[in-house]
Amino acid sequence: GIQVEQSPPDLILQEGANSTLRCNFSDSVNNLQWFHQNPWGQLINLFYIPSGTKQNGRLSATTVATERYSLLYISSSQTTDSGVYFCAVLQETSGSRLTFGEGTQLTVNP
Amino acid sequence: GAGVSQSPRYKVAKRGQDVALRCDPISGHVSLFWYQQALGQGPEFLTYFQNEAQLDKSGLPSDRFFAERPEGSVSTLKIQRTQKEDSAVYLCASSLTGWNFLGEQFFGPGTRLTVL
Repeated sequence: GIQVEQSPPDLILQEGANSTLRCNFSDSVNNLQWFHQNPWGQLINLFYIPSGTKQNGRLSATTVATERYSLLYISSSQTTDSGVYFCAVLQETSGSRLTFGEGTQLTVNP
Repeated sequence: GAGVSQSPRYKVAKRGQDVALRCDPISGHVSLFWYQQALGQGPEFLTYFQNEAQLDKSGLPSDRFFAERPEGSVSTLKIQRTQKEDSAVYLCASSLTGWNFLGEQFFGPGTRLTVL
């Protein structure tokens, strides 16, 4: 099956810093989503981005499907950004299931 | 409702007991998914429904796991004769579309199952 790798596995920032999280995948995909899992375990949808660039406030994401990677940018980080960020991909050949990476654990210190 | 809801939020079971976990998807969503998330890992797919039809159950780890969605809305994941290795967070997700595979999935808060 498809492999999804996220980097870095852990990231510690000071409040106000910017960061880039990366997601590489091993095969072509039909769908890609970024999630933030907050400390209470809730997966929050950030972006639905099979290709191109999207922005939402301090967050933006870019997926280059032909090169099999996606990037999540966080600018002016805040302590509430802490948590685990997951990339998940969907391949039509695997049905409708999402395949998740291992996540990036982000800690933003005040 | 506004989002996907799950109950109970926490469940403690003794090894060998049966448990039932409930998922209420977003109203009108065709597709419903169950995922299992072990501590420190990303969620892993268990099973998928399109309306009341279970189209994919390839991720269910054993025949002790059973899922149903009899009327195409609420779903129940049942685990028989629970084992310690079943301890995990069970996540439910729903998606508006089904057959074109392109629907964004929205997740519930999960049920944390602990088997003693």
